[in-house]
Amino acid sequence: SQQGEEDPQALSIQEGENATMNCSYKTSINNLQWYRQNSGRGLVHLILIRSNEREKHSGRLRVTLDTSKKSSSLLITASRAADTASYFCATENTSGTYKYIFGTGTRLKVLA
Amino acid sequence: DVKVTQSSRYLVKRTGEKVFLECVQDMDHENMFWYRQDPGLGLRLIYFSYDVKMKEKGDIPEGYSVSREKKERFSLILESASTNQTSMYLCASSPDMRRKELFFGEGSRLTVL
Repeated sequence: SQQGEEDPQALSIQEGENATMNCSYKTSINNLQWYRQNSGRGLVHLILIRSNEREKHSGRLRVTLDTSKKSSSLLITASRAADTASYFCATENTSGTYKYIFGTGTRLKVLA
Repeated sequence: DVKVTQSSRYLVKRTGEKVFLECVQDMDHENMFWYRQDPGLGLRLIYFSYDVKMKEKGDIPEGYSVSREKKERFSLILESASTNQTSMYLCASSPDMRRKELFFGEGSRLTVL
C-alpha cells in the first residue's frame, strides 16, 4: 500500500492564488520530501523536511510537518502558470533503507 | 548540475523480448534507483544499488534484474518483456547516506506489444 497519499488528487487555481496540497502517511518517518513532475518528465526535488522539523521554507514554497497526525502540507504562494505540474510527497521510514515511498500525487493546474 | 541520463525516452518492444534500460549519472553518487510509474499507483521502487555490484530488491522486483558494474551506470533488465511491464521507468540517484534528495532522469516510456 502507498505510504504517502496526497490530497486533493487534482487542483485548479488562478494565477496569483495560493495552492495547498496535503500528504498523509502511515508509519514513523526520518524525513519527508516533496517533488514536482512536469508532464512526461522526470521528478525534480523541491524540499526535504526532517522528522524533528515542523516548518520549512524555500522561495515561494512552505512545507509543514505534523508527526502526531502523520501529515504534511505543501503551500505554493503566488502561483504562476509555470507551477502547473504534479506534486508528490515521498517518505523515508525510520529504518532508513533508501526505500522512499511515493504517494500518487496532486495534479496542479494554474490558469493564466 | 547533476545530470541523470536515461538512454531511451521511448521504446516499443514485443512480448518475450529482452529489454535493457540504461541510466548514467555524472556526479559520483553512491546510490542509484529504478522506479516505475503508473497512473493511480505513483512511483514504485523496483531495485536500488548503494555501491558498485551491490543491489537490493525494492517493492516490485519480479520480472526485473539490474546491473551496476560501474559507479556511474545502473541498468535495468527485463529478461522477457510482458505487456504488464508497459510503463514509465524512472532512474534516480542520490549522493550518500547524509544527503537524501533524489535526482531523476527524464524517464523511459516502454510499451510492450
